[in-house]
Amino acid sequence: EAAVTQSPRNKVTVTGGNVTLSCRQTNSHNYMYWYRQDTGHGLRLIHYSYGAGNLQIGDVPDGYKATRTTQEDFFLLLELASPSQTSLYFCASSDVSDRGFYEQYFGPGTRLTVL
Amino acid sequence: GDSVTQMQGQVTLSEDDFLFINCTYSTTWYPTLFWYVQYPGEGPQLLLKVTTANNKGISRGFEATYDKRTTSFHLQKASVQESDSAVYYCVLGTGTGGYKVVFGSGTRLLVSP
Repeated sequence: EAAVTQSPRNKVTVTGGNVTLSCRQTNSHNYMYWYRQDTGHGLRLIHYSYGAGNLQIGDVPDGYKATRTTQEDFFLLLELASPSQTSLYFCASSDVSDRGFYEQYFGPGTRLTVL
Repeated sequence: GDSVTQMQGQVTLSEDDFLFINCTYSTTWYPTLFWYVQYPGEGPQLLLKVTTANNKGISRGFEATYDKRTTSFHLQKASVQESDSAVYYCVLGTGTGGYKVVFGSGTRLLVSP
């Protein structure tokens, strides 16, 4: 069964702090994604990747970096956290094809609070 | 650009009521349309998927039909249960490659027993 795990599940930091959110998938999927979820906005794409060493910019990338170290692992980095980055963060993975869209499998989420 | 609109922020029903959640989309490409459901404390999960080839999706008693003329993709269920309480997202996939989708803002469904 598809599996995406995230750590930590909860994180509190202060303004200007350095935060790394981790995601691992065991689906052997090529694509991985980072989203943030905020009331009234649904899920918004921050960054995504189609393989180790690759990074693509999403729709709301400002203030975030990401790195894909292996096919399984995708990290989201906040180097100077701000209160506006307080949110619920989801990682997802997906198989892809030029013939159409496949399901995205989501992790359980990381709740980040920036004081 | 591509967009999805869900005007209903919250829908409140009683068990056995009929459910209808409205969704409209905008794209210049051939769309693939999804409904995802998110239960409390979990990530979203796929409920159903519809392409221009099949026009209709059915899953777990839910049904959605894609209407190209009105660019709508509504979700409906004949008789809801308390366990259906969740947030429902209309999601649009466009273009080639199949890697990037756009989420609507979500509709929270509350079903009372």
